Amino acid sequence: QVQLVESGGGVVQPGRSLRLSCAASGFSFSTYGMHWVRQAPGKGLVWVAFIWYNGDKKVYADSVKGRFTISRDNSNNMLYLEVNSLRAEDTAVYYCATGSTGETFDFWGQGTLVTVSS
Amino acid sequence: EIVMTQSPATLSVSPGERATLSCRASQSVSSNLAWYQQKPGQAPRLLIYAASTRATGVPARFSGSGSGTEFTLTISSLQSEDFAVYYCQQYNNWPPLTFGGGTKVEIK
Repeated sequence: QVQLVESGGGVVQPGRSLRLSCAASGFSFSTYGMHWVRQAPGKGLVWVAFIWYNGDKKVYADSVKGRFTISRDNSNNMLYLEVNSLRAEDTAVYYCATGSTGETFDFWGQGTLVTVSS
Repeated sequence: EIVMTQSPATLSVSPGERATLSCRASQSVSSNLAWYQQKPGQAPRLLIYAASTRATGVPARFSGSGSGTEFTLTISSLQSEDFAVYYCQQYNNWPPLTFGGGTKVEIK
């Protein structure tokens, strides 16, 4: 079955960086586009970034453009999100997600919590 | 950016009753709309895509309707496991993919 497992979250000071990871299994990872979606505590879902199946194209939400970088390693079934210049408003649970069409989120990980605080 | 607006923010319903949730798009999204259910401490779960198609394993008491800018998720007879937050999401025009603010369905 499809499994997505995020890791790399933690408490970080404003302005610092983190690298989030998502280990994928149970499906043909290299043929699926992948997303990151975040959810601030007690708030709604916000799409963050998407990477094409082969990594050739990446798109971002305006709020993270220039600070976050999505990447993937198809040989190891891994998705990454490099989060730089972190701000308090980046505090959230970060989910990796995917779906058969690339536009809906059929499968989700359990999320990893990033807390930005001094 | 397409803005998705859900109403009401909170819906109080008794078990066994019908629940009707609304989602409005700031411009037409055709039928490119999905619904998700999220329970506390869990990741969201896809319920409906293409406005009215149930995802695999979703019970028949969940139904979606609408097109263009107005959409509805109906839960025909609420079960205890259905009390959760529900989100709509458009995928007609992106980036960005956008979600509504959510409707919390609580026990009356």
